[in-house]
Amino acid sequence: DSGVTQTPKHLITATGQRVTLRCSPRSGDLSVYWYQQSLDQGLQFLIQYYNGEERAKGNILERFSAQQFPDLHSELNLSSLELGDSALYFCASSAGQPNEKLFFGSGTQLSVL
Amino acid sequence: LAKTTQPISMDSYEGQEVNITCSHNNIATNDYITWYQQFPSQGPRFIIQGYKTKVTNEVASLFIPADRKSSTLSLPRVSLSDTAVYYCLVGDMDTGFQKLVFGTGTRLLVSP
Repeated sequence: DSGVTQTPKHLITATGQRVTLRCSPRSGDLSVYWYQQSLDQGLQFLIQYYNGEERAKGNILERFSAQQFPDLHSELNLSSLELGDSALYFCASSAGQPNEKLFFGSGTQLSVL
Repeated sequence: LAKTTQPISMDSYEGQEVNITCSHNNIATNDYITWYQQFPSQGPRFIIQGYKTKVTNEVASLFIPADRKSSTLSLPRVSLSDTAVYYCLVGDMDTGFQKLVFGTGTRLLVSP
């Protein structure tokens, strides 16, 4: 158990809809990362937050947004969903210091039908 | 961030030593090298990290030559449970791994 909690584990929705994925980092970790992994693809970095502030942004679509709340949990919002958004979405956390290892959650499997 | 190149897949048998090499020709002075392991439908798990020479922990060894343009993850006496995808990442020490990009990794299959 990595200590990172992601909910829900599975999500099935339709095109055009909006969903919210939630992540609770490990106790004491200030930094949260979001990754997308499509079938048989590597993990694509989406965005990182540190102590409530956005720190780095990857190739995150404009339809996607995220935030980190004062209690340090994070939410990833996906809107106007398309079939191609179907993927595993992982959250990872770290204390936020350089070169620290990341602890990943078990992911949310999103299926857009 | 430095681009990395790994073999797409490797096959091995139980009890053998497996070496997975990663090329990172444009590694920067401050970059560290980190390896993660991922099982199907699970998040990646940290294996080992190094900057130069050799690093060893309870699960693996990491060999980094003097020019640091490549690195080799060594898994001693693999078992069936080592079947997974292994990712090599190179990141900047000053900015951390904020934009960690996991490539396609190396898919290791361990057979009986």
